Amino acid sequence: KAGVTQTPRYLIKTRGQQVTLSCSPISGHRSVSWYQQTPGQGLQFLFEYFSETQRNKGNFPGRFSGRQFSNSRSEMNVSTLELGDSALYLCASSGGGQGGYTFGSGTRLTVV
Amino acid sequence: AQSVTQLGSHVSVSEGALVLLRCNYSSSVPPYLFWYVQYPNQGLQLLLKYTSAATLVKGINGFEAEFKKSETSFHLTKPSAHMSDAAEYFCAVSGPYTGGFKTIFGAGTRLFVKA
Repeated sequence: KAGVTQTPRYLIKTRGQQVTLSCSPISGHRSVSWYQQTPGQGLQFLFEYFSETQRNKGNFPGRFSGRQFSNSRSEMNVSTLELGDSALYLCASSGGGQGGYTFGSGTRLTVV
Repeated sequence: AQSVTQLGSHVSVSEGALVLLRCNYSSSVPPYLFWYVQYPNQGLQLLLKYTSAATLVKGINGFEAEFKKSETSFHLTKPSAHMSDAAEYFCAVSGPYTGGFKTIFGAGTRLFVKA
């Protein structure tokens, strides 16, 4: 069974630009969650999608958005990038129950 | 609301010694509890989970954790540390939230294993 695939693995962007990150969950998993990981703040919940609907949202500004497609693949977008957006962005999929997450390897975003 | 506290941001043990990583949780409802491990430049990997079936939970790589409701704890242990256990460990709690479930992670404990 293929794991959770995140692309790209690394990104360098300039302040003010926008970026789109992609996540393909495990086949059959309909829930996709996104987390931001930084040394100072740890793992912060961004949002969760289930069957194309945003089910939960964390405390991030509106510059952070996401969506999920009918095949469960998900994208997250960050507009007007700030230096503080530099982080490891992790995608996690689950079957919808409480079996825990399967994480991707993450996308490391650096904003310069 | 759920929350998780991991005691000790860094823990150092000698190879072959007992590993004990502490986690306390707060939840207004019976929680689901998890331990994850993260190796450098990788995502998190599920070590074990508590979902109310048994209080002592065995996971991968020889780790286990015991759910103690009276102490609101879910500490992670391993009898004998190996060099390959050096990583960061995260405790997490999941519970019902508006529209579904939400998982909250602790701040993490970095485990160092000395030869």
